[in-house]
Amino acid sequence: AQRVTQPEKLLSVFKGAPVELKCNYSYSGSPELFWYVQYSRQRLQLLLRHISRESIKGFTADLNKGETSFHLKKPFAQEEDSAMYYCALSGPSGTYKYIFGTGTRLKVLA
Amino acid sequence: KAGVTQTPRYLIKTRGQQVTLSCSPISGHRSVSWYQQTPGQGLQFLFEYFSETQRNKGNFPGRFSGRQFSNSRSEMNVSTLELGDSALYLCASSLDSQGGSGNTIYFGEGSWLTVV
Repeated sequence: AQRVTQPEKLLSVFKGAPVELKCNYSYSGSPELFWYVQYSRQRLQLLLRHISRESIKGFTADLNKGETSFHLKKPFAQEEDSAMYYCALSGPSGTYKYIFGTGTRLKVLA
Repeated sequence: KAGVTQTPRYLIKTRGQQVTLSCSPISGHRSVSWYQQTPGQGLQFLFEYFSETQRNKGNFPGRFSGRQFSNSRSEMNVSTLELGDSALYLCASSLDSQGGSGNTIYFGEGSWLTVV
């Protein structure tokens, strides 16, 4: 069964410290992985997708098919990064759905 | 370009009642999907529509239903409301130009439903 696991409900780091939000997935096939972010009082929005291989707001994520992981990383956390982060997997072709992890709340402390 | 719009934003209903939530997708987007978001379960897929056809449905009881209109606008309905239906209901739309897999979905702000 397809599944996305985010083991940490809450992650607190100090400003300027490195951040790694963990995401593991279970999927039979070639997955499409995404990170979505929800800032306070804002809608859920796309942060990045693995096929783009881009860095958004200093965040990067590499798809590791061997470890079935898609961890989100940032070398130096900023206070404005405090938000809820969701890892998501686009379901198999023909299912037209996304599977989300339960989310990790990132708190960046001053 | 306007984003995904959901109405109403907040509503309170009594157990046993029914509720209809509305979603207007981004202009040009033909795929609309619905998710239920709760603190305990996170985002759970409800269903997805394209060209007025439901293409997939999540593991929710038959009390949860939806439809899509010819202009791609969508509604979802929950009948015989239960306390556990209290949640944020999110609508998302996508271009779906490639048949589904891998398309970025864009979310609305959601409709907060409280059942008392």
